[in-house]
Amino acid sequence: DTAVSQTPKYLVTQMGNDKSIKCEQNLGHDTMYWYKQDSKKFLKIMFSYNNKELIINETVPNRFSPKSPDKAHLNLHINSLELGDSAVYFCASSRTNNQPQHFGDGTRLSIL
Amino acid sequence: KQEVTQIPAALSVPEGENLVLNCSFTDSAIYNLQWFRQDPGKGLTSLLLIQSSQREQTSGRLNASLDKSSGRSTLYIAASQPGDSATYLCAVNRGMRFGAGTRLTVKP
Repeated sequence: DTAVSQTPKYLVTQMGNDKSIKCEQNLGHDTMYWYKQDSKKFLKIMFSYNNKELIINETVPNRFSPKSPDKAHLNLHINSLELGDSAVYFCASSRTNNQPQHFGDGTRLSIL
Repeated sequence: KQEVTQIPAALSVPEGENLVLNCSFTDSAIYNLQWFRQDPGKGLTSLLLIQSSQREQTSGRLNASLDKSSGRSTLYIAASQPGDSATYLCAVNRGMRFGAGTRLTVKP
């Protein structure tokens, strides 16, 4: 059973399009995260939600909007995609924000 | 602003060697520090988490230490194996800041 699952695994799309990445965790965790890993493999946090409430919102363009319909899901919607958005996006979860994080396998987003 | 640095950037060792990976951070006001490994094309796997009040954590051949006052953590890997080859990342939790990682290669 996959603990943290992201879909799709690969996403290739044109500049200017709107796309969503879904994330689900079956661990019963309260906290979920989105990270961006750029071409140099540097990992940076984007958002963190605890019990469906936003607790971390780094300096991310407002084209990125996380949505948490329930504790088990944290989806990432991106409007007006730009070339610089090309990266691998990781979802993660933890029991609380002070416990080990479990990561999904990532979504590789490529903007043409 | 918290900055996290990992040294060395890459390390290649023969199988069986003991090795140490280093992580330093600039702001000691952290909740915890985590060590992860990342295999190519995969997500991160949590190895060890040290709470700010702790000095070290151990799991199998891995031992991680934390010295908040000096802003340093080390990950010690005993008797390295080819399967340990991966990128190792440390992250300090107060806003989750990651280092750039150490790419480890263990040669048979």
